[in-house]
Amino acid sequence: DTEVTQTPKHLVMGMTNKKSLKCEQHMGHRAMYWYKQKAKKPPELMFVYSYEKLSINESVPSRFSPECPNSSLLNLHLHALQPEDSALYLCASSQDSRSYEQYFGPGTRLTVT
Amino acid sequence: AQSVTQLGSHVSVSEGALVLLRCNYSSSVPPYLFWYVQYPNQGLQLLLKYTTGATLVKGINGFEAEFKKSETSFHLTKPSAHMSDAAEYFCAVRPWFAGGTSYGKLTFGQGTILTVHP
Repeated sequence: DTEVTQTPKHLVMGMTNKKSLKCEQHMGHRAMYWYKQKAKKPPELMFVYSYEKLSINESVPSRFSPECPNSSLLNLHLHALQPEDSALYLCASSQDSRSYEQYFGPGTRLTVT
Repeated sequence: AQSVTQLGSHVSVSEGALVLLRCNYSSSVPPYLFWYVQYPNQGLQLLLKYTTGATLVKGINGFEAEFKKSETSFHLTKPSAHMSDAAEYFCAVRPWFAGGTSYGKLTFGQGTILTVHP
């Protein structure tokens, strides 16, 4: 199984809402990543988890809060977002954070109204 | 520091024609190089990668790329385009060692949208 799954597929939320994005992999990977992709732009790294510990935070605003409850799951908690946060949020995983091959999920299309 | 430049944000070819998508990189250390494909509203799929060894790398769907160190290039080619190849393609680089702030970090080019005409 080389699949990374993400839920929900689409999410519309108001600026005062709290929501969460979920990512799951069952490949035994120990590194997981969140990327943000705006329309017609490449993905931008947000966070890296290595062995369930946050190892990289690319200066992401605190309204985005990642969580890695176990080695298979990665969440992104969203609170008080702005319309400019509307984007495709991609999760990826790799064997570990030194591994060069990352497997991407299909993404969650987030719209903030 | 590392960066990736993809020449041409849009490339249009006829079905059956050669596909050539250009990628040049800048890296202070020997890099790993990748091509990813992204279909509309989907995630990224790895097409091929160069790590070490043979500089001509074959990937999925008939694509291949050649690492040319002297030209700092990693252009993607396919001899005969198919309608199903229409997508956005991203070249990406990461250093061959993972340490410090470059730990696990892929740097992507701006992407090239490939259109295939019948």
